[in-house]
Amino acid sequence: SQQGEEDPQALSIQEGENATMNCSYKTSINNLQWYRQNSGRGLVHLILIRSNEREKHSGRLRVTLDTSKKSSSLLITASRAADTASYFCAPSGNTPLVFGKGTRLSVIA
Amino acid sequence: DTAVSQTPKYLVTQMGNDKSIKCEQNLGHDTMYWYKQDSKKFLKIMFSYNNKELIINETVPNRFSPKSPDKAHLNLHINSLELGDSAVYFCASSQGQGANEQFFGPGTRLTVL
Repeated sequence: SQQGEEDPQALSIQEGENATMNCSYKTSINNLQWYRQNSGRGLVHLILIRSNEREKHSGRLRVTLDTSKKSSSLLITASRAADTASYFCAPSGNTPLVFGKGTRLSVIA
Repeated sequence: DTAVSQTPKYLVTQMGNDKSIKCEQNLGHDTMYWYKQDSKKFLKIMFSYNNKELIINETVPNRFSPKSPDKAHLNLHINSLELGDSAVYFCASSQGQGANEQFFGPGTRLTVL
């Protein structure tokens, strides 16, 4: 099964700044998903990018995927205090998702 | 309406006891999962069921026994609880196996004293 590794482990920024998180993986994939986890809650699906896509947008989220480098990035623009959470990537093949340790994002008002 | 629900939300118990956590999803999904998230926030898959059949059983002690009475329910029974079982347990569901979006429940925080 695939597992993504998020980087950095923790990120602290000021409200209004952009936040970039990276994900690396080792095997071939069908798609890659990003999830958010607020403190004390379950994971919430944010966005899915397919292996034949290079970039995808959803509101203030921008995801890129480079299958040649086996990496993905999640950009959150104009961050808000409510974006404070942990973010997980899940590279997906034919087996169920495996989550890494995530990136803990803190947005300071 | 809650898509994936778990009960109880909190569970505090003594070592050696047996306890169960229940999970229900009303999304019509055919695949359900149990995850364990430890104090370091590492989320690890424990079990996966597809159409009531076990398809994934990661390295989990046999004190943990999942039971799926129907596609909408996946319960987790834990025998002889140990201190190391303290964690947050999440149930999730998806349509189909593999690379599909998963919907998570709110979690059950288990504390073993």
